[in-house]
Amino acid sequence: AQTVTQSQPEMSVQEAETVTLSCTYDTSENNYYLFWYKQPPSRQMILVIRQEAYKQQNATENRFSVNFQKAAKSFSLKISDSQLGDTAMYFCASVTSGTYKYIFGTGTRLKVLA
Amino acid sequence: NAGVMQNPRHLVRRRGQEARLRCSPMKGHSHVYWYRQLPEEGLKFMVYLQKENIIDESGMPKERFSAEFPKEGPSILRIQQVVRGDSAAYFCASSPKSPGQGSGNTIYFGEGSWLTVV
Repeated sequence: AQTVTQSQPEMSVQEAETVTLSCTYDTSENNYYLFWYKQPPSRQMILVIRQEAYKQQNATENRFSVNFQKAAKSFSLKISDSQLGDTAMYFCASVTSGTYKYIFGTGTRLKVLA
Repeated sequence: NAGVMQNPRHLVRRRGQEARLRCSPMKGHSHVYWYRQLPEEGLKFMVYLQKENIIDESGMPKERFSAEFPKEGPSILRIQQVVRGDSAAYFCASSPKSPGQGSGNTIYFGEGSWLTVV
């Protein structure tokens, strides 16, 4: 069965600094997608970044980038130039290509300090 | 271009009452998914529906829970005779195509409906 593990329940970072959130996953599939979602205090689920497993190039969205290590089944999120608005829960998720059951980790609570 | 709309955002029910949560998918989306988030946990899949069809309800409790997505109107998640353990956030998501049809498996979440059972 697919699993997603986020081993950091809470993290904090100073404004303007860089922080990396960890995520490991387990799957026997070759084709899958990985996601990072942000859940701010408003509790909406916001897609931050997406990675296709067949692409070796790491996905990047402005200040957000991932370090995708397929062999190690690792998918970490790097937030550069952290802003107060980045304070949120961050969830890592995976889904097998062609299916619809996203598997979510338990989340990392990130606090950006002024 | 409205996103996935869920209502109510917050709902309080007494034990034994019924809860109805509504979800209108994004315009042009005919595939709807419901997920549940228990306190301090990630989201867990409940059910996948297309118009007038339940495709997969394997994540939904067998008792008291039901879902529908009629030809007209929003998708409804219904919880009968609620218990305290049903207190959670219920997220709806939608996609324009079924997974595997080139949508890249990306689904778009609504803002969630927060059910509190007292």
